[in-house]
This record gives sequence, structure tokens and C-alpha cells, in this order.
Amino acid sequence: DAGVIQSPRHEVTEMGQEVTLRCKPISGHNSLFWYRQTMMRGLELLIYFNNNVPIDDSGMPEDRFSAKMPNASFSTLKIQPSEPRDSAVYFCALKATGGNTEAFFGQGTRLTVV
Amino acid sequence: DQQVKQNSPSLSVQEGRISILNCDYTNSMFDYFLWYKKYPAEGPTFLISISSIKDKNEDGRFTVFLNKSAKHLSLHIVPSQPGDSAVYFCAARKGGSEKLVFGKGTKLTVNP
Repeated sequence: DAGVIQSPRHEVTEMGQEVTLRCKPISGHNSLFWYRQTMMRGLELLIYFNNNVPIDDSGMPEDRFSAKMPNASFSTLKIQPSEPRDSAVYFCALKATGGNTEAFFGQGTRLTVV
Repeated sequence: DQQVKQNSPSLSVQEGRISILNCDYTNSMFDYFLWYKKYPAEGPTFLISISSIKDKNEDGRFTVFLNKSAKHLSLHIVPSQPGDSAVYFCAARKGGSEKLVFGKGTKLTVNP
């Protein structure tokens, strides 16, 4: 969806390296979600923000994962150090809190850790 | 502990026939249910939803049925079209929460 820009689209990195995934949401959507999709676990919520404040980070797998939303137009998900089991597609999604529209997703970042 | 389960990883149907995708949930606190469709190399897109106060919601060729006592919902697509071929995710959330819990998805293939 053109309203959610994720970068990069693909990332290949070596085990132990730091990885930063980026999400640039359009305005008017005050909830931002980071999801991860794997074959084993499907789509799982990592963390979500409401008005730039982290609300629920219970899905963040380990301390190696961190997410920030410094302002309404930018969010990052960082993995440091990365491991092969982090290989997945990471999606950013937006929603207007309490609105009549449902969350819509970006195209995702496919991460491969070798 | 999977709270939303889609037990069929794949489904294949003929064009023009009905597709029925199933979903079961375990958490009785869920009160809103959604279906998302996902094409390869794209993010999931919202398809249809249903509140727990209803047992059916229809939108064109797509109908979602909810059986609260069985904790089961299903998505019916009729007639099925080749363009419906995608992975379908069932999702649920609790009242007052924006957090969606997804199933693992069912890959639907509609053959011409």
C-alpha cells in the first residue's frame, strides 16, 4: 500500500550484524504495528504504538529486538545482533484508532540472516 | 499457544464454485474477527470483518459466518474466481484492544 512505505524491501545480512528496518506511515493514522511473518508461526505482532507511545511490546521476542517511533511519520525496528532465526518478512501496519477502517499493511521487508 | 487456528494450510477449488475457509479460536474474550487476503510479495489487505454480536456479514461475493458457541468462523467466497487465489488470514481481537491475533493462513488456489 502506497500509504505505508517500508525500507528496505529486501535485506540480507550476516549473523551478528545490526539490522534496522524502517517504516514511514502516512498521516492520520495514530496506531502503528510491527508484525513478523514466518512459516512456523505465521503472522505475529511484535509491538504496537499509539500516538508514538509503545502500548504493547509483549511480542518482542528478545532484548535483541527494539523499536522506536520518534515521531508520527517514522518508526524503526532494530535487531542487534541478528541471528539466522530472525529471517522472516517484517510488516509495518497502520490504523486510525477506533476508526471504521481496519489496519492496512505495508509491503514488508524480507530479512535473511545468513 | 495458538489462539487463532486455521487447520487447513491449503485449499483448491474450481472457478465458479464455492470456497470455504475455516478458522477456530480459543480465547472467549475475542469479540471482533477479520479476514485478510495476501498476495505474494505484498502485505495483507483487509477483506471483511464481523462483530461478535452478529452471526453473518456479507460483502458481495464474500460472506463471513460466526458461531460463537463453537468458537468458529468461516469465510465463504461464491463464486470463486482465479483472482481470489491468495493466502487468507483469519484474525481476532479483544474489545478495547487494537492488537490483532492472526492464524497461520490458508492458501487458496482457484483453478480456471
